[in-house]
Amino acid sequence: QQQVKQSPQSLIVQKGGIPIINCAYENTAFDYFPWYQQFPGKGPALLIAIRPDVSEKKEGRFTISFNKSAKQFSLHIMDSQPGDSATYFCAASWAGGTSYGKLTFGQGTILTVHP
Amino acid sequence: NAGVTQTPKFQVLKTGQSMTLQCAQDMNHNSMYWYRQDPGMGLRLIYYSASEGTTDKGEVPNGYNVSRLNKREFSLRLESAAPSQTSVYFCASSELSGPLGSYEQYFGPGTRLTVT
Repeated sequence: QQQVKQSPQSLIVQKGGIPIINCAYENTAFDYFPWYQQFPGKGPALLIAIRPDVSEKKEGRFTISFNKSAKQFSLHIMDSQPGDSATYFCAASWAGGTSYGKLTFGQGTILTVHP
Repeated sequence: NAGVTQTPKFQVLKTGQSMTLQCAQDMNHNSMYWYRQDPGMGLRLIYYSASEGTTDKGEVPNGYNVSRLNKREFSLRLESAAPSQTSVYFCASSELSGPLGSYEQYFGPGTRLTVT
């Protein structure tokens, strides 16, 4: 069962554009929502994460927006650069000791930023 | 500090052959995981180990076995490989930490496995 649905599958923007990737989750027990970035031939790496007690979190050019009532969250990349071209995964978990960090991932979005 | 290492990087198997994927981490993490990555499917958890001496099934455990050899090493075994197991396999490790009180997972570089 796919508990985290991610869209779009692929996204092409021009340099300086603001790509937006969306995710929706089903399990209301989830309370930790990370985004991972993956470059070709590499493993994913944590980009930014949020807990549902805030509606927005910014780290540099990356922003997570969170809508708890809609069970949706999204990643915005400001002033996108060709170096941001990668695959992005959203994920969800319940934080804390008993989850042991098990993550449920979305399907991934391949982002291409043209110069 | 190598982080998470995986061997081999690439492997081709014939249907029915067996093999073990090796994973090691040098960050003193308690938790380790095995995922598979398939196009359009994201990463799916195969098995995880919350701590040394414990293992548990994830979302897609069928056809796989694991061994948590010690705190550093967590191996994944395919006893009788099938074409459906053609995938990229990632090992990860984590520890409960940070301001969010959560687990940041650190991934290895992956093993690309083809079963013919």
